[in-house]
Amino acid sequence: GAVVSQHPSWVICKSGTSVKIECRSLDFQATTMFWYRQFPKQSLMLMATSNEGSKATYEQGVEKDKFLINHASLTLSTLTVTSAHPEDSSFYICSASIRLAGTDTQYFGPGTRLTVL
Amino acid sequence: SQQGEEDPQALSIQEGENATMNCSYKTSINNLQWYRQNSGRGLVHLILIRSNEREKHSGRLRVTLDTSKKSSSLLITASRAADTASYFCATVKTGANNLFFGTGTRLTVIP
Repeated sequence: GAVVSQHPSWVICKSGTSVKIECRSLDFQATTMFWYRQFPKQSLMLMATSNEGSKATYEQGVEKDKFLINHASLTLSTLTVTSAHPEDSSFYICSASIRLAGTDTQYFGPGTRLTVL
Repeated sequence: SQQGEEDPQALSIQEGENATMNCSYKTSINNLQWYRQNSGRGLVHLILIRSNEREKHSGRLRVTLDTSKKSSSLLITASRAADTASYFCATVKTGANNLFFGTGTRLTVIP
């Protein structure tokens, strides 16, 4: 159980276009989903926290108008990278949170590799 | 930055040896978690240790937590080539539910 999927797993796009990444919790409902980005050989950096039905909370330094997050249901959150540029090329990972035994546990998706040409 | 730090950044050992990775963090925490990531893949949750716990075991994994020093260690015993991966610690701050990851340790186990 507790499987999280992401789609697409990789995407290549031209500079200036927008890319949407989906994150789904397949067998549980997640009130909270998180979006991270990871540069090669570096750690995960939290971008934003997304709660179902409300606006996402962005971490300092993350442009909310550039990285649009929509959390329309308890099983789906989307991240749209608008007007992508080569510096947005990265590995984007989502996670979905579920409360187990009083502790919030995050389950991670497999990641989406974005390459902007 | 709330990001923790891990050392060593990279570790290379022979199969069968033990591997120890250390993590230091900056704030008071609710719990600390260790994750594994194979190259270019998602994260796999390994173990969670709460702030009131000092040691936890899971199979070949042993995790310690010293809240006075704001540090944790992950020990993998009798390593295998399949343990080759990056390992990250992540903390959950008191009163929060989001994770802040350490810088990671790249472990290579040589067959």
